[in-house]
Amino acid sequence: SQTIHQWPATLVQPVGSPLSLECTVEGTSNPNLYWYRQAAGRGLQLLFYSVGIGQISSEVPQNLSASRPQDRQFILSSKKLLLSDSGFYLCAWKVAMNTEAFFGQGTRLTVV
Amino acid sequence: TQLLEQSPQFLSIQEGENLTVYCNSSSVFSSLQWYRQEPGEGPVLLVTVVTGGEVKKLKRLTFQFGDARKDSSLHITAAQPGDTGLYLCAGARRTDSWGKLQFGAGTQVVVTP
Repeated sequence: SQTIHQWPATLVQPVGSPLSLECTVEGTSNPNLYWYRQAAGRGLQLLFYSVGIGQISSEVPQNLSASRPQDRQFILSSKKLLLSDSGFYLCAWKVAMNTEAFFGQGTRLTVV
Repeated sequence: TQLLEQSPQFLSIQEGENLTVYCNSSSVFSSLQWYRQEPGEGPVLLVTVVTGGEVKKLKRLTFQFGDARKDSSLHITAAQPGDTGLYLCAGARRTDSWGKLQFGAGTQVVVTP
């Protein structure tokens, strides 16, 4: 069966510090991978998506970047965090056009 | 501007009442999905609708996809406290070959005993 792991679950970082959130998927090959950010009680904003190793598409200009060094590994990074980067970050994977997305448990990031 | 507009943003009802949540767009979608999310967790899929005019039922939940595949609705009959959560619609546009899933802003549903 397929599983998705996302860590850490909670993170408190000072402004200006770097960020690295990791997401790995098990039990499937060549998944489409996604990073979303969610404001409290609101919908999900698509940040990045990837359809293959080394391929990253960015949806919105921002202080973040993403990388896919391996088929089932997706990393969200920042060199210098801003207060506005605080939020709930979700990693997800899906296989094909009309299939469901499977989400990780999310990372609550607070920038102080 | 949100690609998928959900309404209402917030809904508070008593146990046993019915409710309907709407998801609208000016774009045509190859499919629409409904998710429910609990606080501090990732969204979990409830249903996927693919065919225009399609109606799917999941126990007390009824999902409908518009004929033009631009809108969808979720109806809950005799709501229970366990139905409380954030309901999100999501879709992949026909013009998007990568299958990007875009989400609406969500409807927060609270069902009180």
